[in-house]
Amino acid sequence: QVQLQESGPGLVKPSQTLSLTCTVSGGSINSGDYYWSWIRQAPGKGLEWIGYIYYRGSTYVNPSLKSRVTISADTSKNQFSLKLTSVTAADTAVYYCARLSHFYFDHWGQGTLVTVSS
Amino acid sequence: EIVMTQTPLSLSVTPGQPASISCKSSQSLLDSDGKTYLYWYLQKPGQSPQLLIYEVSSRFSGVPDRFSGSGSGTDFTLKISRVEAEDVGVYYCMQGIHLWTFGQGTKVEIK
Repeated sequence: QVQLQESGPGLVKPSQTLSLTCTVSGGSINSGDYYWSWIRQAPGKGLEWIGYIYYRGSTYVNPSLKSRVTISADTSKNQFSLKLTSVTAADTAVYYCARLSHFYFDHWGQGTLVTVSS
Repeated sequence: EIVMTQTPLSLSVTPGQPASISCKSSQSLLDSDGKTYLYWYLQKPGQSPQLLIYEVSSRFSGVPDRFSGSGSGTDFTLKISRVEAEDVGVYYCMQGIHLWTFGQGTKVEIK
């Protein structure tokens, strides 16, 4: 059974860069069968898809965030990462990593809260 | 961006009674491959979202048969035939035909 676990700082200062890593166990991100995604949920709000990475390194980012987001992968560690630059309070959210399979997200990490505050 | 609109935004249900949630998309979710890319998730308190229904009406692995989905084009419905205490949480519809967007969520609580 595949499992995903997010990790990274829980507090980021405004204008700085948010960096998170998702560690995948029970399956390889290099398999080519899935896409590996980031999704976030601001407090009390709905869900927003951020972007994905495919095993060959190709990425696709939500156009609303495209200028600030980079998604990368380290296949040797079975991890993929998110970088979000120039953060503001509006980027405060629970960030989830998830596996994208056949157009839906079938496995999610538990989520990690990132607060943007000075 | 495809906008997903759910109604109602909250629902209080007596255990054993049915519940229904509506989801409307701003454009058709029917693709040229014949599939309709509409999904339903449940986010239980303190948990990550879990997939209930894919492609309008197919139950995901392990999902009880009291959950059913229906609809076509731009109008969709999730029904719970007999609500149980473990069904509380926020239900989201999601479209996957053009990137991915979610509805605002419907909070279901037990009376």
